[in-house]
Amino acid sequence: GAGVSQSPSNKVTEKGKDVELRCDPISGHTALYWYRQRLGQGLEFLIYFQGNSAPDKSGLPSDRFSAERTGESVSTLTIQRTQQEDSAVYLCATRDRHYEQYFGPGTRLTVT
Amino acid sequence: AQSVTQPDIHITVSEGASLELRCNYSYGATPYLFWYVQSPGQGLQLLLKYFSGDTLVQGIKGFEAEFKRSQSSFNLRKPSVHWSDAAEYFCAVGAYNFNKFYFGSGTKLNVKP
Repeated sequence: GAGVSQSPSNKVTEKGKDVELRCDPISGHTALYWYRQRLGQGLEFLIYFQGNSAPDKSGLPSDRFSAERTGESVSTLTIQRTQQEDSAVYLCATRDRHYEQYFGPGTRLTVT
Repeated sequence: AQSVTQPDIHITVSEGASLELRCNYSYGATPYLFWYVQSPGQGLQLLLKYFSGDTLVQGIKGFEAEFKRSQSSFNLRKPSVHWSDAAEYFCAVGAYNFNKFYFGSGTKLNVKP
């Protein structure tokens, strides 16, 4: 595909349920990032994948959050036992060799 | 601690007027600096970046930014704003090994006809 894609575009879930968000990267981009953007705020770094190296999980806000990526393929962000404060737009980005990030359209998560 | 501050939450300018959006950063090493634009219903798009060299960098859509190390600033400018520039603008700092990026809280630009 031409760009980073994310699915679903919108997700409404009940408090306490688990959700899984998907990111399809640009082919050939080895670096992938997940961010959270709360309403009216900037982007908050969550996790970084680079090839087959161990991911940088330093931005994950709690152990309810986890993410996976195998090699340079699809990544999934999982939030367990969702809370209302998890409501936000979750953005995925990949990075090219010129250190430029390309962002997906995001998944808007609403926890009721 | 690393941080990016965009002191202006909202800015309104008239079409054709000049624009300056402020960005201040706190980072221990030489910063890698970026400006992104987020238009309604669209994803973030890179406007320009600074890594080294000439401190005045040119970007897309007629934007430029100037890196001032002494002021820890990387302000975005445009000489004449168009109505289509109405959007939210984010300044960001990349860590030295690009394992993470720190974003400001954004500045929403409104353009008056």
